Amino acid sequence: GQQLNQSPQSMFIQEGEDVSMNCTSSSIFNTWLWYKQEPGEGPVLLIALYKAGELTSNGRLTAQFGITRKDSFLNISASIPSDVGIYFCAGQNYGGSQGNLIFGKGTKLSVKP
Amino acid sequence: EAGVAQSPRYKIIEKRQSVAFWCNPISGHATLYWYQQILGQGPKLLIQFQNNGVVDDSQLPKDRFSAERLKGVDSTLKIQPAKLEDSAVYLCASSPRQGAPYGYTFGSGTRLTVV
Repeated sequence: GQQLNQSPQSMFIQEGEDVSMNCTSSSIFNTWLWYKQEPGEGPVLLIALYKAGELTSNGRLTAQFGITRKDSFLNISASIPSDVGIYFCAGQNYGGSQGNLIFGKGTKLSVKP
Repeated sequence: EAGVAQSPRYKIIEKRQSVAFWCNPISGHATLYWYQQILGQGPKLLIQFQNNGVVDDSQLPKDRFSAERLKGVDSTLKIQPAKLEDSAVYLCASSPRQGAPYGYTFGSGTRLTVV
């Protein structure tokens, strides 16, 4: 089946630093999504991208939909302790017959105050 | 707006036993999904319902897993008999339209441990 390669697997950073993570796929998607999951909770949508080349921001978060439609990245600027969690990318072919999400394995972010 | 409700939150069973999970989606959401999330992995879709009909169950291990959404509202996922490798968090999600990213909301999950 389809697989997403997400990197890095984990990051340990100092508060105030910027963070970058990315996701690549062997298949094309028409939608890329970024989620955050905290312990004991389900994933929460951060940003959705619908168009190749699209750059979208949500507060300190910025994500881009790669021009090949096979990759995406997420940047977090000026990290704070509450950014701690696992970040997942997900690809979707929204508008298709199913539209289910294909998730990466996640990037675990730790922020040292 | 109430979120996606799941129960129980935790379950520990012995292998070969049966277990059932329950999900109540957001009111009015036509589409309901069950995902399996193994430790250290991203969620993987098991089954998708549109109202009370199955849209996609291609990744559901049908020899031991079953799911139903009889009245197009809440849903149950059952495992019978359970294996050690079924230890995972089972997430339910719902969306107002099939696949729509916004409004696609996950519950907190049921953590299953098979011993």
